Amino acid sequence: QQPVQSPQAVILREGEDAVINCSSSKALYSVHWYRQKHGEAPVFLMILLKGGEQKGHEKISASFNEKKQQSSLYLTASQLSYSGTYFCGTEWNTNAGKSTFGDGTTLTVKP
Amino acid sequence: DGGITQSPKYLFRKEGQNVTLSCEQNLNHDAMYWYRQDPGQGLRLIYYSQIVNDFQKGDIAEGYSVSREKKESFPLTVTSAQKNPTAFYLCASSIGVGYTFGSGTRLTVV
Repeated sequence: QQPVQSPQAVILREGEDAVINCSSSKALYSVHWYRQKHGEAPVFLMILLKGGEQKGHEKISASFNEKKQQSSLYLTASQLSYSGTYFCGTEWNTNAGKSTFGDGTTLTVKP
Repeated sequence: DGGITQSPKYLFRKEGQNVTLSCEQNLNHDAMYWYRQDPGQGLRLIYYSQIVNDFQKGDIAEGYSVSREKKESFPLTVTSAQKNPTAFYLCASSIGVGYTFGSGTRLTVV
């Protein structure tokens, strides 16, 4: 089952913050986040494995809630370079061997 | 540098033709994947392989075929049975902690 990402799109000014959510109807084994620039390959940002986990990557961080059914990606003090489409990938169990991706959230940062 | 190489970057297919997309990795990853991406949409899994000489169908395998004869290589053939093959194709590999993607092949039917 595909995870649901929200919002579908967001427009920001430089320096503003954004939150992107990735939700599942059942508990997940893992969530991983990617950013894709137009016409390019998705780039891995981070992976979360434990309920309640939080991780950071410069000004981009993510959390995984205790029930492991929702992950949120936080972009603070956004920069122009943050523009792109953000995807979450999810795995249901450790033996899944494959990930299911959300439809993506398009982030546009304007000067 | 380690990574995934996809070729060609652009590919044009005539109606009724089979075409093969190349994917090579030097990351020593066991698992490899093929995803299809349509404009404005997410990634849909075509095939995946967790070990040499073994692969499984993903969600949209019809009209596609793959092979995994070497750990480094996972080519995808788009057959004439795939009626709507125009899309961006991404190959990925993994060692279990996130995916590394290739730069993609954009396939267009002419």
